[in-house]
Amino acid sequence: DAMVIQNPRYQVTQFGKPVTLSCSQTLNHNVMYWYQQKSSQAPKLLFHYYDKDFNNEADTPDNFQSRRPNTSFCFLDIRSPGLGDAAMYLCATSRDKGSGSYEQYFGPGTRLTVT
Amino acid sequence: AQSVTQLDSHVSVSEGTPVLLRCNYSSSYSPSLFWYVQHPNKGLQLLLKYTSAATLVKGINGFEAEFKKSETSFHLTKPSAHMSDAAEYFCVVSAIGRFKTIFGAGTRLFVKA
Repeated sequence: DAMVIQNPRYQVTQFGKPVTLSCSQTLNHNVMYWYQQKSSQAPKLLFHYYDKDFNNEADTPDNFQSRRPNTSFCFLDIRSPGLGDAAMYLCATSRDKGSGSYEQYFGPGTRLTVT
Repeated sequence: AQSVTQLDSHVSVSEGTPVLLRCNYSSSYSPSLFWYVQHPNKGLQLLLKYTSAATLVKGINGFEAEFKKSETSFHLTKPSAHMSDAAEYFCVVSAIGRFKTIFGAGTRLFVKA
């Protein structure tokens, strides 16, 4: 089945130690998103890629970076994780069909713990 | 500008009774509206979407929603709740032709046996 895959599902990192979260998709969608979701809160969009074009949200901290080496893969890099970065990180994809119907397909998420 | 308000942070129903989760939106553009469900420690799953076609939208698992432009509402309903419906539900708005999606704060649905 076509899907959005996130690895690992659970990640523990130390305060200040760089960490990378991975997302891959078999949907061949041209848009990929990264969200941060803290406990009992709605997902917060960090950035998205439209094809190779990177679009950062204005309030996304510089500590968060992303790479998209090809259509299928997208990475979230946290350069110096702080305790406040502990959260669920969700990857999503959508396909620009030109109709404006941008439903997103979500991966299962990566739960990040910072010790 | 766009915004979305989910009017209830928690809703509790008994199994077999109707479900109503309320959502109001505002948008300067023609909106696309979505409902997603999230079970604990899982990703979000699309329940249904409205994109300027039929105003009554049917989704998966027996859910449906009605787009009411005059009331700027997009409430989610289900005739009969099942225990497996217990989850967090998010109403989402995006403007047609744009990639900015705005999530509501979420409504936690509890289903009592």
